[in-house]
Amino acid sequence: AQKVTQAQTEISVVEKEDVTLDCVYETRDTTYYLFWYKQPPSGELVFLIRRNSFDEQNEISGRYSWNFQKSTSSFNFTITASQVVDSAVYFCALNLYNFNKFYFGSGTKLNVKP
Amino acid sequence: GAVVSQHPSRVICKSGTSVKIECRSLDFQATTMFWYRQFPKQSLMLMATSNEGSKATYEQGVEKDKFLINHASLTLSTLTVTSAHPEDSSFYICSARTSDRGLRSNQPQHFGDGTRLSIL
Repeated sequence: AQKVTQAQTEISVVEKEDVTLDCVYETRDTTYYLFWYKQPPSGELVFLIRRNSFDEQNEISGRYSWNFQKSTSSFNFTITASQVVDSAVYFCALNLYNFNKFYFGSGTKLNVKP
Repeated sequence: GAVVSQHPSRVICKSGTSVKIECRSLDFQATTMFWYRQFPKQSLMLMATSNEGSKATYEQGVEKDKFLINHASLTLSTLTVTSAHPEDSSFYICSARTSDRGLRSNQPQHFGDGTRLSIL
């Protein structure tokens, strides 16, 4: 069975702090994708990153970085120098290659205070 | 990039009304579309997978007769909440993906902006 766990329900930081959002996944499949989405209060899902299971290279995009470690089944997301606009709910998701279904984590609400 | 349009963005209606939500892929052909439901402060739960030209596949616990899904073309899927009741109030999100299943592809699943349904 597939499962995505985001143990942090809510995190509050002060602007300019770095923050890491944890994501742990479970699957027996060897080929899969991992995603991070941002959901601001308006509700839409904003795609942040997709990583396939064969690519363990960490990725940096501006203030965002992702650490994918298959050995620990984790795909953590770090925001450097957080800003108030980063306040949102962030979802980690697992998508198996042979199936269309997405398995979403429960989400982590990030509050960035000025 | 690929865009998925969902309409309407917000619906408020009386109990017993049927409500139709549209999901359109604007610049790509979506052989498969997905419908999710999100309760307040909760995650997205897949309701059904909609394949063009065939019957939708519903997740366990989702009432087929309650949530009618039609995927008549490669760019449009509709979700109809029949005889809606207050407990059907929720945030509904659709997503679509192309037929490209290449592992190296950079095409993620594209989400609509969601429909907030409120049944009075």
